Amino acid sequence: SQTIHQWPATLVQPVGSPLSLECTVEGTSNPNLYWYRQAAGRGLQLLFYSVGIGQISSEVPQNLSASRPQDRQFILSSKKLLLSDSGFYLCAWSPDPLYTEAFFGQGTRLTVV
Amino acid sequence: AQTVTQSQPEMSVQEAETVTLSCTYDTSESDYYLFWYKQPPSRQMILVIRQEAYKQQNATENRFSVNFQKAAKSFSLKISDSQLGDAAMYFCAYRNQGGSEKLVFGKGTKLTVNP
Repeated sequence: SQTIHQWPATLVQPVGSPLSLECTVEGTSNPNLYWYRQAAGRGLQLLFYSVGIGQISSEVPQNLSASRPQDRQFILSSKKLLLSDSGFYLCAWSPDPLYTEAFFGQGTRLTVV
Repeated sequence: AQTVTQSQPEMSVQEAETVTLSCTYDTSESDYYLFWYKQPPSRQMILVIRQEAYKQQNATENRFSVNFQKAAKSFSLKISDSQLGDAAMYFCAYRNQGGSEKLVFGKGTKLTVNP
């Protein structure tokens, strides 16, 4: 069966520090991968999605970047965090092309102080 | 670009009663998928129900059913016999047909179930 792992679960980082959140999927190949952010009182904002290794689409220009160094690995990064980067970050994957819905990781609560 | 609108930031229902959550969307596509996701306090996103746009029959999953009105671009979720465990944020989502297309979410509706 397929599983998605996202870590860390919680993170407190000072302003200006770097960020690296990692997401891996097991039990499937060539998944579509997504990073979403959920700010307090808001819905889910799509940040990045990837349909293959090295293929990253950015939805919102901002202080973050994403990379997909391996087929089932998706990394969200920042060189210097801002206070506005605080939020709940969700990684998701979607099988392609037979399925339609996305499956989510447990999320990372990031607090920038 | 496709957009999804949930006009009810919060809703409440009495246990065992029925509640309907609203969702509208905007698209120029004819083939797409619609979803309702549930996010309980644990923050884990859970798929509740899915509807294919080419299907006229409304999807049903146990106590959860949808009212899909393609012409009106409306996709409401009905929860029957509400249970305390149904309390959560509910998100409506849209996806174009095609394996590489992304999910677009509404801002969510917070459902409270009163005992």
